[in-house]
Amino acid sequence: QKEVEQNSGPLSVPEGAIASLNCTYSDRGSQSFFWYRQYSGKSPELIMSIYSNGDKEDGRFTAQLNKASQYVSLLIRDSQPSDSATYLCAVKRDSSYKLIFGSGTRLLVRP
Amino acid sequence: EAQVTQNPRYLITVTGKKLTVTCSQNMNHEYMSWYRQDPGLGLRQIYYSMNVEVTDKGDVPEGYKVSRKEKRNFPLILESPSPNQTSLYFCASRPTGVGGYTFGSGTRLTVV
Repeated sequence: QKEVEQNSGPLSVPEGAIASLNCTYSDRGSQSFFWYRQYSGKSPELIMSIYSNGDKEDGRFTAQLNKASQYVSLLIRDSQPSDSATYLCAVKRDSSYKLIFGSGTRLLVRP
Repeated sequence: EAQVTQNPRYLITVTGKKLTVTCSQNMNHEYMSWYRQDPGLGLRQIYYSMNVEVTDKGDVPEGYKVSRKEKRNFPLILESPSPNQTSLYFCASRPTGVGGYTFGSGTRLTVV
């Protein structure tokens, strides 16, 4: 079992729709959770971080964390073609320096 | 501008020829790390550093060396590159406490 699992996709949504990206993790000691966006050939860009159960909103992005079920999700409202990218989930124990990444979900937003 | 700078962006080299990829950050971050990214395998940590003169192995350290003599710099050294080290490499840094890594622009390395 991978430590951080994501569906590779592609997830295809029409422009204006809500895109829902999911991530599960195996280490119950994980305390910090991050979503990165990566355009093809570019470096990962941090878009959301979440540390406690519940929802965290930032503009069109909402991160959701459920530690009991060991999943974290990212919702993108009013999806735009420019949101088409690979979204990487990453988790970290507070006692560790290691950030563990999932393999990413490719999102395609159709005009 | 706060950033992580890697050089070079692209590098083609031959097997066995020592090379260094430089990484520098201007954010006074304590933690720095090197990752490689390969299709289907995602981002894997090579080495990381908690501060000056403090480094440790990540998940795939074989064939790589690092040093942290100054807080801002964290070079990645390949003493004898092999074709299986052909990959996209990223340097990243973050401050102590909470927060994610900021990544450099990447170095695409090809070893022939």
